[in-house]
Amino acid sequence: DAKTTQPPSMDCAEGRAANLPCNHSTISGNEYVYWYRQIHSQGPQYIIHGLKNNETNEMASLIITEDRKSSTLILPHATLRDTAVYYCIVRRDHGSSNTGKLIFGQGTTLQVKP
Amino acid sequence: ETGVTQTPRHLVMGMTNKKSLKCEQHLGHNAMYWYKQSAKKPLELMFVYSLEERVENNSVPSRFSPECPNSSHLFLHLHTLQPEDSALYLCASSQVIHEKNTGELFFGEGSRLTVL
Repeated sequence: DAKTTQPPSMDCAEGRAANLPCNHSTISGNEYVYWYRQIHSQGPQYIIHGLKNNETNEMASLIITEDRKSSTLILPHATLRDTAVYYCIVRRDHGSSNTGKLIFGQGTTLQVKP
Repeated sequence: ETGVTQTPRHLVMGMTNKKSLKCEQHLGHNAMYWYKQSAKKPLELMFVYSLEERVENNSVPSRFSPECPNSSHLFLHLHTLQPEDSALYLCASSQVIHEKNTGELFFGEGSRLTVL
């Protein structure tokens, strides 16, 4: 699975949009981009995933560049409860034998400030 | 509530003890995972079970022994651990993927293990 690169930390003002970048320049055509977050001392939480089209759900938006070598997770109105470590993960869909395992990196620590 | 329950939430054990961590998922999934998260380190995948069969063992020492009696339950048996095994142990579940479908992992809250 392709490796991802994320900044180690970011700050965001409460109420503003948080834009978290991720580079995955070695991504291949059948690899998905997943985003998870982990609030302190809790298990990781799924946020969103995509293949090549931009995606939006109730939590966030995912913008994937046309060449798919990078993506941005957008939290439109960050709150203090969004303070967490955000993980960008690229994973291949192997078909029927795929167990869906995820390999986590260091992630980006997002600090939302009042 | 993620539908994945881990017990106990906290465990302190000596190096000669035998204990077990338990994970139960109420999501109807058929794949389950153990991850380890040490301080200041990324999550490390330990074991993967798919359809109750172990499909991955990531060079985990034999003092950790997983057991998956059915698709809803996963155990991690602990024996003669070392202090460096102190960590947050996270269980997750997912649905085995078919064709173009993708699946995400649902994690429990974790079991915080301290080995004295």
